[in-house]
Amino acid sequence: GESVGLHLPTLSVQEGDNSIINCAYSNSASDYFIWYKQESGKGPQFIIDIRSNMDKRQGQRVTVLLNKTVKHLSLQIAATQPGDSAVYFCAESEIQGAQKLVFGQGTRLTINP
Amino acid sequence: AAGVIQSPRHLIKEKRETATLKCYPIPRHDTVYWYQQGPGQDPQFLISFYEKMQSDKGSIPDRFSAQQFSDYHSELNMSSLELGDSALYFCASSPSLTSAGGEQFFGPGTRLTVL
Repeated sequence: GESVGLHLPTLSVQEGDNSIINCAYSNSASDYFIWYKQESGKGPQFIIDIRSNMDKRQGQRVTVLLNKTVKHLSLQIAATQPGDSAVYFCAESEIQGAQKLVFGQGTRLTINP
Repeated sequence: AAGVIQSPRHLIKEKRETATLKCYPIPRHDTVYWYQQGPGQDPQFLISFYEKMQSDKGSIPDRFSAQQFSDYHSELNMSSLELGDSALYFCASSPSLTSAGGEQFFGPGTRLTVL
């Protein structure tokens, strides 16, 4: 992960709109990717994951897209709700080996009523 | 469902003191990870254990040590505390190191403040 100081990228969307959060990763050997949601003072909470043999995976209101060519990951949240306001982190790991998570830069998502 | 338990939730120490953070993984999870998260920063991997053996080591200062016990709980020992050690410390657990990639379940964290 990279230390980015106190100024997280921010994204503000209107309640009900869709949001897209982007993430770049650096390790070509990473083959497992996760999106976590972190609310203030709490631990990261799993949202959705994807393995490198896929380029898209859908969950409830969330979709993760993986572009291995440009090492890019995105999280789409449909019909955002006030409870979606949080900091979102992407994380990468290698399926073989110790599987430590390397977190990317977080994005603070704010849902406006 | 049982979650990862961390204690204490909050800890205040003076510089040069020592601190011990505890982590109780989800039952039947044998792999534990420790992460440090500074204010406004992403979590940074410190160290991990699988079946009571250290499995990987990240950016953990030499002043810190950790171990996993026979009941799979883990403790992070921090000595000669510095102001820069003030952070949230998260423990995460997963079912098995060999489960071919998988979700890590995070605890609520311990907020350490060094004065």
